[in-house]
Amino acid sequence: RKEVEQDPGPFNVPEGATVAFNCTYSNSASQSFFWYRQDCRKEPKLLMSVYSSGNEDGRFTAQLNRASQYISLLIRDSKLSDSATYLCPPGGYNKLIFGAGTRLAVHP
Amino acid sequence: DGGITQSPKYLFRKEGQNVTLSCEQNLNHDAMYWYRQDPGQGLRLIYYSQIVNDFQKGDIAEGYSVSREKKESFPLTVTSAQKNPTAFYLCASSSEHYFYEQYFGPGTRLTVT
Repeated sequence: RKEVEQDPGPFNVPEGATVAFNCTYSNSASQSFFWYRQDCRKEPKLLMSVYSSGNEDGRFTAQLNRASQYISLLIRDSKLSDSATYLCPPGGYNKLIFGAGTRLAVHP
Repeated sequence: DGGITQSPKYLFRKEGQNVTLSCEQNLNHDAMYWYRQDPGQGLRLIYYSQIVNDFQKGDIAEGYSVSREKKESFPLTVTSAQKNPTAFYLCASSSEHYFYEQYFGPGTRLTVT
């Protein structure tokens, strides 16, 4: 089983839609969870860190389910600028494991 | 402004040549990392360093070398022993004071022909 698995997408959604991604991880000892976004040919940028059971930042809500070993990201009121690849690397002490990510395409 | 810089943005080399990629941070982070990304794939860890003068191999260290003589700097050398060096190279740093959130530089795109 891969250490982190994400639906590669692409998720094609209209502006204003609500979209959710899931990310499952295999290492139950993972201690830190993040969501990053990566635009084409650019570096990943930290979107949010997820502590305890979840975190919310504006239109973005992340939830962590340790029992089932998955983390989710919900984006409300999608904007064209949300189009990117979303990465959810779980990590232990000082190391993150990146999957290929989920691609989101928001269209007018 | 605090951040991570990588230079150059694009690098072209002939096969058989060693090349060194620069990474500098002024975030006062203790830990630094090097990743490689191939098209359509995730980031793979090459080397990381948690403290000056110490570093550990990541998942794909063969054909690469690093040094960490200063807290701010973590250069990566791609040697001629690396079989497929053409890739997007990303440097990151993190601090235990911020839950090890990793922040990335803009990357160096290396092409070897």
